[in-house]
Amino acid sequence: QSVLTQPPSVSAAPGQKVTISCSGSSSNIGNNYVSWYQQLPGTAPKLLIYDNNKRPSGIPDRFSGSKSGTSATLGITGLQTGDEADYYCGTWDSSLSGGYVFGTGTKVTVL
Amino acid sequence: EVQLVQSGAEVKKPGESLKISCKGSGYSFTNYWIGWVRQMPGKGLEWMGTIYPGDSDTTYSPSFQGQVTISADKSISTAYLQWSSLKASDTAMYYCARPLMGYGGSLYYFDFWGQGTLVTVSS
Repeated sequence: QSVLTQPPSVSAAPGQKVTISCSGSSSNIGNNYVSWYQQLPGTAPKLLIYDNNKRPSGIPDRFSGSKSGTSATLGITGLQTGDEADYYCGTWDSSLSGGYVFGTGTKVTVL
Repeated sequence: EVQLVQSGAEVKKPGESLKISCKGSGYSFTNYWIGWVRQMPGKGLEWMGTIYPGDSDTTYSPSFQGQVTISADKSISTAYLQWSSLKASDTAMYYCARPLMGYGGSLYYFDFWGQGTLVTVSS
């Protein structure tokens, strides 16, 4: 059971905006960088956002990340059918039983 | 171009041993950590552990410590994940991925991923 909680699903029409939350604690999000991954159906995860709000080369600026306290948010604007995927947040957990932790995952559906 | 290429799908019986591989190219394999991530059918991602091929320094997730062994052969730029006695509950997709490590052994993020190796354990 993950220590990072995400909503199971979000949906919106093409062109609209969605936000995905990732809730943690002071031992993980509160004191470490957050990253986000996109997993298209049947494929490996891909890095989408790192260091809370930075985009790797090739990731469009429709994707954005932010962090406040012990929560982080991924935003997707101008939603496209190709954005239908599972999205995971991730961060280091500094507790004794920690390590790198992923969120529970959110399925984005384009209506 | 950084690439991580994993070995093919495996079908095994409970109790059998298995070693899957991940070959890195396009970067200095010896100088970057490699990690393994499990994804059980229909479930989320779980970090299993990481290894530094330069000196084989290895860190395991508490959830996987003692359950698997991570190793690397820097001479052929390949990392491995192995089981000595598989269980049905080991059925999953396994990904290798390259992490960027931070201070104190923390892990910042995974920037490149392999294509995955599907392991099926069934009698």
